[in-house]
Amino acid sequence: KAGVTQTPRYLIKTRGQQVTLSCSPISGHRSVSWYQQTPGQGLQFLFEYFSETQRNKGNFPGRFSGRQFSNSRSEMNVSTLELGDSALYLCASTSEGASGNTIYFGEGSWLTVV
Amino acid sequence: QKEVEQDPGPLSVPEGAIVSLNCTYSNSAFQYFMWYRQYSRKGPELLMYTYSSGNKEDGRFTAQVDKSSKYISLFIRDSQPSDSATYLCAPRGLSGNTPLVFGKGTRLSVIA
Repeated sequence: KAGVTQTPRYLIKTRGQQVTLSCSPISGHRSVSWYQQTPGQGLQFLFEYFSETQRNKGNFPGRFSGRQFSNSRSEMNVSTLELGDSALYLCASTSEGASGNTIYFGEGSWLTVV
Repeated sequence: QKEVEQDPGPLSVPEGAIVSLNCTYSNSAFQYFMWYRQYSRKGPELLMYTYSSGNKEDGRFTAQVDKSSKYISLFIRDSQPSDSATYLCAPRGLSGNTPLVFGKGTRLSVIA
């Protein structure tokens, strides 16, 4: 069974640009979450989508947005990039079972803003 | 007070040692407790999760939750150099859509 797939793995952008990151969840998983990981703040929750609807949102500015498609694939977008947006962006796919939800992460997209 | 506190380490142990990794948390609504292992420049890998208080064992790994003291532990027996990684605790609430709240992670080095 394929894991969570994120593309691109590495990218460099200039301040002020925008970026779109893509995530394909594990087959059959309908929930996709996004997290930002930085050395200073650790892993922080951005937002979660379930059946194409945003179900939960973290404390990030409106420059960070996302969406989910009918096949559960998800994208996140960051507009007007700032240097502080340099981070590892992680997508997580959730298996919802009777014994609770288990959350699996992709390898992440490394974003560097210069 | 941060919701989840974790000693960042680094923690350095000899091969074969028993490792104890710990977190404390403040939110009594947390019901699920996950442990992730993250190798350098990789995504977090789910190691174990427990529900509510108690112990759970999986091979060389044992997860322990004490909800009365809001204390989470992960024990690694017979540690190996391949266990060298950052270990992240991540509790979450009962509802299916509550996000994980991560500790900062503890860097572990197992020296051969």
